Amino acid sequence: GEDVEQSLFLSVREGDSSVINCTYTDSSSTYLYWYKQEPGAGLQLLTYIFSNMDMKQDQRLTVLLNKKDKHLSLRIADTQTGDSAIYFCAESTPDSWGKFQFGAGTQVVVTP
Amino acid sequence: GAVVSQHPSRVICKSGTSVKIECRSLDFQATTMFWYRQFPKQSLMLMATSNEGSKATYEQGVEKDKFLINHASLTLSTLTVTSAHPEDSSFYICSAREGTGNAFFGQGTRLTVV
Repeated sequence: GEDVEQSLFLSVREGDSSVINCTYTDSSSTYLYWYKQEPGAGLQLLTYIFSNMDMKQDQRLTVLLNKKDKHLSLRIADTQTGDSAIYFCAESTPDSWGKFQFGAGTQVVVTP
Repeated sequence: GAVVSQHPSRVICKSGTSVKIECRSLDFQATTMFWYRQFPKQSLMLMATSNEGSKATYEQGVEKDKFLINHASLTLSTLTVTSAHPEDSSFYICSAREGTGNAFFGQGTRLTVV
């Protein structure tokens, strides 16, 4: 089946930029998502990108997609303490919209 | 975005009892809902796909007789953990797919079996 991999931990200083990386294996057209999960809570959709796009920006969030390398990144500008959470990369394909393959999650810790 | 409500948010039950978790789409109809399980410090793993009016499709390794799924209406799917044991303690999350294909997640249910 498809695999989604991401780094497990990231520490960043408040005010700096965070970059979370993810790789995926499915080569078909797909949507790629970033979700945020705070302790004991559900998933909050941050942003998504279709695989025919290279970049998407939404306020402090920038998603970059390198389709050739199947590499996805999420950049958070001006990281705040409220950004401390676990970030999941996920993919979903047209033949099974809404059914996600998740990465293991990257724990982001923002220090003052 | 669309709202998916999951209930209860936390439940503690005795070993051997059954627990029902509800997943409701509040402002849209969902012919398809998904149930995930998340163990501590791990990712979400898909358990099953719940289809309105038909049987659920379970992922490999998930016991369908233990995790009963009912999707009797376009806005409600339920997951019943039967004869729960401590190893079933986990965080269960549902998602509901709306007509455009986007899926929205519930807030999750923390199940503790003692």
